[in-house]
Amino acid sequence: DTAVSQTPKYLVTQMGNDKSIKCEQNLGHDTMYWYKQDSKKFLKIMFSYNNKELIINETVPNRFSPKSPDKAHLNLHINSLELGDSAVYFCASSQDADRGGYTFGSGTRLTVV
Amino acid sequence: GNSVTQMEGPVTLSEEAFLTINCTYTATGYPSLFWYVQYPGEGLQLLLKATKADDKGSNKGFEATYRKETTSFHLEKGSVQVSDSAVYFCALIPSGSARQLTFGSGTQLTVLP
Repeated sequence: DTAVSQTPKYLVTQMGNDKSIKCEQNLGHDTMYWYKQDSKKFLKIMFSYNNKELIINETVPNRFSPKSPDKAHLNLHINSLELGDSAVYFCASSQDADRGGYTFGSGTRLTVV
Repeated sequence: GNSVTQMEGPVTLSEEAFLTINCTYTATGYPSLFWYVQYPGEGLQLLLKATKADDKGSNKGFEATYRKETTSFHLEKGSVQVSDSAVYFCALIPSGSARQLTFGSGTQLTVLP
């Protein structure tokens, strides 16, 4: 009964490759997010979607493209991977965020070699 | 803009010691405030929250009080356990239409037996 599930949990790939991370939530939330956590544990929002529409798009390279086929899914596609993309990527969802906060997935550890 | 400042880590305590992790924020209006916890190798879990001034959030023996006058939301626990070892994040969601969760830099807590 995982609330927010991400796949894969680990992803090791070479520079220049294209990869995707999938995220699904079964909470019925309207809003979904992608966060990046660097090696110092700092968390930074990348994107936010509300009912399949992009509402937050922080300063992220164009190589990163979110896709939301429906409000329960928000996938992250990354083109031409670089060493600096190595990080843990977290998906999250919310409904009435200022009351309940966000629910996070368990993360995808991406390593670019 | 909105920001959260947490005390620098790492923090190392002996079991049954008293814990305080300081958190202050900058935001207009009345943000909602949160503490999240990240156990090793896992995603972020909501620990506690407070949505208005003077509210006290509590969970698993942890407490934090929303202090508008000092713009603070310090995390406390009277007697820590080894199982409390984790990274703790203070965060806010601003009032108004934006629902972006902004995190502090995280504080690593290690509890020794």
